[in-house]
Amino acid sequence: QQQVRQSPQSLTVWEGETAILNCSYEDSTFDYFPWYWQFPRESPALLIAIRPVSNKKEDGRFTIFFNKREKKLSLHITDSQPGDSATYFCAAHTGGLSGKLTFGEGTQVTVIS
Amino acid sequence: EAAVTQSPRSKVAVTGGKVTLSCHQTNNHDYMYWYRQDTGHGLRLIHYSYVADSTEKGDIPDGYKASRPSQENFSLILELASLSQTAVYFCASKGDQDTQYFGPGTRLLVL
Repeated sequence: QQQVRQSPQSLTVWEGETAILNCSYEDSTFDYFPWYWQFPRESPALLIAIRPVSNKKEDGRFTIFFNKREKKLSLHITDSQPGDSATYFCAAHTGGLSGKLTFGEGTQVTVIS
Repeated sequence: EAAVTQSPRSKVAVTGGKVTLSCHQTNNHDYMYWYRQDTGHGLRLIHYSYVADSTEKGDIPDGYKASRPSQENFSLILELASLSQTAVYFCASKGDQDTQYFGPGTRLLVL
């Protein structure tokens, strides 16, 4: 079963607009939620992350909004730039010995100028 | 600079052959992971290790073995490669913090 779901699959926005990417999860024991971005033919790289003790995390133009009760989070990209065009993955961390990440299927974002 | 490197970067293998993918990290991290990524999809965990000489099964371990001979090195072994194992394979490492750092990936094509 897919424990981390992302929507939409793809998103196109104009330069300067705000892109909103959604993520939901099932396992309430997940304790850390990183977002990774991946450019074509490159490896995923950490963009921004949040822990359930917070409901918002901001880093420049990127903001995570977190709703623990609904098990949902979203990534907002304000003032989108063409260089933000990438695939964005929401992931959820399992604590304990494994420390593993469960990834969503990704949202492909295209910013057009 | 801390780094995760993988070799080879790409490989063409024949069905039924043995394939070994290697990963080396200089992060001094205890945790290492192997993921596969299929075109247009997210990453799925194959095997992981939190200490040398020990490996654990991830979410999709069937058809794969792993080896962790040292803290720095972690290998993924396909004893009998199959067409369905064509994918990009990423290695990652993690220290005390929860962030995983990924290597550049290995593109594997099984014919």
